Amino acid sequence: TQLLEQSPQFLSIQEGENLTVYCNSSSVFSSLQWYRQEPGEGPVLLVTVVTGGEVKKLKRLTFQFGDARKDSSLHITAAQPGDTGLYLCAGLGEWDNYGQNFVFGPGTRLSVLP
Amino acid sequence: GAGVSQTPSNKVTEKGKYVELRCDPISGHTALYWYRQSLGQGPEFLIYFQGTGAADDSGLPNDRFFAVRPEGSVSTLKIQRTERGDSAVYLCASSPGDLNYNEQFFGPGTRLTVL
Repeated sequence: TQLLEQSPQFLSIQEGENLTVYCNSSSVFSSLQWYRQEPGEGPVLLVTVVTGGEVKKLKRLTFQFGDARKDSSLHITAAQPGDTGLYLCAGLGEWDNYGQNFVFGPGTRLSVLP
Repeated sequence: GAGVSQTPSNKVTEKGKYVELRCDPISGHTALYWYRQSLGQGPEFLIYFQGTGAADDSGLPNDRFFAVRPEGSVSTLKIQRTERGDSAVYLCASSPGDLNYNEQFFGPGTRLTVL
C-alpha cells in the first residue's frame, strides 16, 4: 500500500496569517492533486501538479511539487475564514497502469478564525 | 443540476441488512469512481468504472461489496450483510475519462450508518 502522509493534521489560525501544509510519501507520483472538502460535501479539486519542482498559484494559494515528485506543499497567504476546510492531497502513482486511481492522504483540517 | 448526485443522502440500517447506494454522474462522463471516507480520514478508493466495465475493483474490501454500471451512466454500490465497520460516507466521483484530463468531480456522498 502506497501511503500519503499530511501534516499538520489540524491547524487553527487567525485571519490574515500565513500557513503551509505538507503532503509526503516515500513513493514517486506521476501527478498530484490538492482538494478542499467542506462538511457534508465532496472534495473539490484545487490544482493538479505534474512536473517535479512545479509551482502553481491560485490567487492566495501556492502549490509546489517536490523535485523528486514524492512530496508537495500548499501555502496560503493572508488566510481568510472562507479558507476553512479539509485539505486533501491525492497522488497518482507511477505504478498505476490505468492512470486513474488516485491515492488520498488523510487531510489537514484548517480552521481560520475571524 | 449538472453535478454528480447521490441518493440517499443518509441511510441507517441494521447489522446484517442489504443496502444499495446510487450515483448519477455528470452526463457524458465515462469514468466513475466509488470511495469510502471514514471520520477523520481521506477518501479510500473502492472501484473505478470506464464505461460499463469495472476497470479496477482492487479497493473493494471483500465480497460483500459489489458495484454495477449497466448502461455506462448510473452506478449502484451494493453491500450485503452489512457490518458496523461499514459505517462511513460513500463518495462517488465522475470524470470525462480522458487519461490526460483526470479531474474528478465528486458528489456530496451517502452517509451510511450500520447499527
